[in-house]
Amino acid sequence: DTEVTQTPKHLVMGMTNKKSLKCEQHMGHRAMYWYKQKAKKPPELMFVYSYEKLSINESVPSRFSPECPNSSLLNLHLHALQPEDSALYLCASSAITGNEQFFGPGTRLTVL
Amino acid sequence: AQKVTQAQTEISVVEKEDVTLDCVYETRDTTYYLFWYKQPPSGELVFLIRRNSFDEQNEISGRYSWNFQKSTSSFNLTITASQVVDSAVYFCALSEGDSGGSNYKLTFGKGTLLTVNP
Repeated sequence: DTEVTQTPKHLVMGMTNKKSLKCEQHMGHRAMYWYKQKAKKPPELMFVYSYEKLSINESVPSRFSPECPNSSLLNLHLHALQPEDSALYLCASSAITGNEQFFGPGTRLTVL
Repeated sequence: AQKVTQAQTEISVVEKEDVTLDCVYETRDTTYYLFWYKQPPSGELVFLIRRNSFDEQNEISGRYSWNFQKSTSSFNLTITASQVVDSAVYFCALSEGDSGGSNYKLTFGKGTLLTVNP
């Protein structure tokens, strides 16, 4: 099973809301990633978790807060977002860092 | 610093034509990995292939084939007998060698939009 699931598929939120994106994989992968993708652009790396520890934070604003409760789950907590944060948010996992990453279907986020 | 260039922004072909998508990379590492991903309109990135820098053997998988040439720093994708379902954005990506197990980054090219017309 090479599936990464993400919920919700779509999310609309106001700038004062607090919401969370969820990602789950059951492939036994030990590396998980969050990416942000704007229209007609490649994905941009936000965070990398390796063995449930944050290993890379690409200078992401603090209004994005990642969390890795266990080896199968990855959350992205959102608070006080701006309209320019509207994008497709992709989660991915890999067996270890360096291996091919498998992506989820993404969450399309709209910030009003 | 690593860099991936996909010079073809958009390509349009007619069904059953062969099409080659170009990818040129830059890296200072001797150990690195190259990838191709497909992103159809639904948005999900689909993994196609991974190659490490020590394996220059070309590969064929169904209608996909890859040509890896270190001498020209290129990793091109060819789709044979294209089909409408091949219409998507194709991304080439590069990661540098695993220097410690945690400091890993995947650098994407800007992507090539392939449209296959019936």
